[in-house]
Amino acid sequence: AQTVTQSQPEMSVQEAETVTLSCTYDTSENNYYLFWYKQPPSRQMILVIRQEAYKQQNATENRFSVNFQKAAKSFSLKISDSQLGDTAMYFCAFMAPPGTYKYIFGTGTRLKVLA
Amino acid sequence: GAVVSQHPSWVICKSGTSVKIECRSLDFQATTMFWYRQFPKQSLMLMATSNEGSKATYEQGVEKDKFLINHASLTLSTLTVTSAHPEDSSFYICSAVSSYEQYFGPGTRLTVT
Repeated sequence: AQTVTQSQPEMSVQEAETVTLSCTYDTSENNYYLFWYKQPPSRQMILVIRQEAYKQQNATENRFSVNFQKAAKSFSLKISDSQLGDTAMYFCAFMAPPGTYKYIFGTGTRLKVLA
Repeated sequence: GAVVSQHPSWVICKSGTSVKIECRSLDFQATTMFWYRQFPKQSLMLMATSNEGSKATYEQGVEKDKFLINHASLTLSTLTVTSAHPEDSSFYICSAVSSYEQYFGPGTRLTVT
């Protein structure tokens, strides 16, 4: 069975600084997708970034980038130039096989950006 | 982007009654929708996969007779919590698949008194 682990329940960062959220997963699959979702106080889940396992290049989306280490089964999210609006719960999610769309979510990291 | 709505956003019901939650894909058709449950300060737990025109597939440990799912059209899935009890109080989130992505609804807070 696949598992997703987020070992940092809470983190804080000063505005404009950089923060990295950790995620590890366990799977015997070779073809899978990984995601980071943001859940602000409104509770609406918002896709931050997606990484396909077959791609060696790390995904980036503006201020958000990932460090995908397939052999180590690690998938960390780096937020650069943190903004107050980045304050939210962040969930790492795993999907395999890709066509199932069934996600396994980690336990989440609560990020607070400080002014 | 694709939009998914849920109704109601918050519902309070008495113990023993049933309550229905609707999930709609507003600008796309979805043959597959998912229902999740989220306890306070916890992660999302997948409850079931809703398939248009066929029976829902429930995850292990989820009571199919208690959480009735109906995917009657390509834009609507409903979750009915039957004979609700206080332990069913939770945040319920649906999602729909479009163009190889999963889009989430804003969630429904259920409080059973």
